[in-house]
Amino acid sequence: DVKVTQSSRYLVKRTGEKVFLECVQDMDHENMFWYRQDPGLGLRLIYFSYDVKMKEKGDIPEGYSVSREKKERFSLILESASTNQTSMYLCASSPPTWGAFFGQGTRLTVV
Amino acid sequence: DQQVKQNSPSLSVQEGRISILNCDYTNSMFDYFLWYKKYPAEGPTFLISISSIKDKNEDGRFTVFLNKSAKHLSLHIVPSQPGDSAVYFCAASLDNYGQNFVFGPGTRLSVLP
Repeated sequence: DVKVTQSSRYLVKRTGEKVFLECVQDMDHENMFWYRQDPGLGLRLIYFSYDVKMKEKGDIPEGYSVSREKKERFSLILESASTNQTSMYLCASSPPTWGAFFGQGTRLTVV
Repeated sequence: DQQVKQNSPSLSVQEGRISILNCDYTNSMFDYFLWYKKYPAEGPTFLISISSIKDKNEDGRFTVFLNKSAKHLSLHIVPSQPGDSAVYFCAASLDNYGQNFVFGPGTRLSVLP
């Protein structure tokens, strides 16, 4: 069974903190993605990676960076968390054909 | 400017009746469309997809219709069940390689018993 695991379901961080969101997939997919979900805006792509050490900016990369040192792991980094980064963060991985499998999401609150 | 629009933020339907969720897109180059379903505090799960070469795809109670000339697709659920209550996202892509899907804002479906 397909599995995409995000390290935390809920996180509360302070403004200015460096935040790491981890995502692991066990399907040997090349493509991995980070999205954020906000009410009325749907899912917006932050970054994606199509191979180890490769990354591409999505629609809203500002304030974020990513790391893909191993195929199964894709990390999203908030260098200095701000309150407007309070959101639901969703990781996904994708086979080379179509679609995407999502993790359960991380609800991040920045106070 | 949103490339994928779901103009109804919410929809309520009686159990057993048909639910119709609509999605409009602006980019005529979109080639592949998907519907995802999302329960609170969970990640979206894939529901059904359709390629631009088709105008209909059916999977059990779920049918997706694509009207390319109108840049419109719809998801029909029949009969609707209370367990179908969730947020439904429409997504579009320029290809079917799983990269860079554009998602709509979602429609919250409530199926009333």
